[in-house]
Amino acid sequence: DTGVSQNPRHKITKRGQNVTFRCDPISEHNRLYWYRQTLGQGPEFLTYFQNEAQLEKSRLLSDRFSAERPKGSFSTLEIQRTEQGDSAMYLCASSLPGVETQYFGPGTRLLVL
Amino acid sequence: QQQVKQSPQSLIVQKGGISIINCAYENTAFDYFPWYQQFPGKGPALLIAIRPDVSEKKEGRFTISFNKSAKQFSLHIMDSQPGDSATYFCAASYKGSARQLTFGSGTQLTVLP
Repeated sequence: DTGVSQNPRHKITKRGQNVTFRCDPISEHNRLYWYRQTLGQGPEFLTYFQNEAQLEKSRLLSDRFSAERPKGSFSTLEIQRTEQGDSAMYLCASSLPGVETQYFGPGTRLLVL
Repeated sequence: QQQVKQSPQSLIVQKGGISIINCAYENTAFDYFPWYQQFPGKGPALLIAIRPDVSEKKEGRFTISFNKSAKQFSLHIMDSQPGDSATYFCAASYKGSARQLTFGSGTQLTVLP
């Protein structure tokens, strides 16, 4: 499978716990995006990496959220001290340099109890 | 304004009919307009996309119509099939925003057999 992969696919956690999600983009895609999608809504942009550099962050990305892409390949998104309002689908997308098209992974569905 | 407004929220069409979903935008900097299809529990998948230098683009049963002066674009699904039942999102991006996608709120399409 050469598409974008995300792990885990589902995560249930208790309020206050930390969670970490992983995204593996399509090979050679140097651009990587994180989005959040709540039920019945369209995805909302969270952050963007070009290679290992985090170049854009949304106001939605509070200080409890941190994302990394240490070697310019896979990326992780960590949420500290989770809140019930963090329950959502977290989507990762990647694209080639200079190309508008973004390819999405299957997402990680987070439920905070 | 970054908002993209999408209508209708839900749509029911008979098999073989035409499904039409509309979107409107405010930000004239947007220069790329994709449509994504999403099935429950899956990530969005790119269907078709258009740039504002053309008024229409057709790929198989899917057509985008684009009206730059009205800042509106629409998706037409010809000969709709039950397998087309999914949620459809319009989106927009521009180069200066790191190509982050701004999504509409989605249209849940049901095609009756």
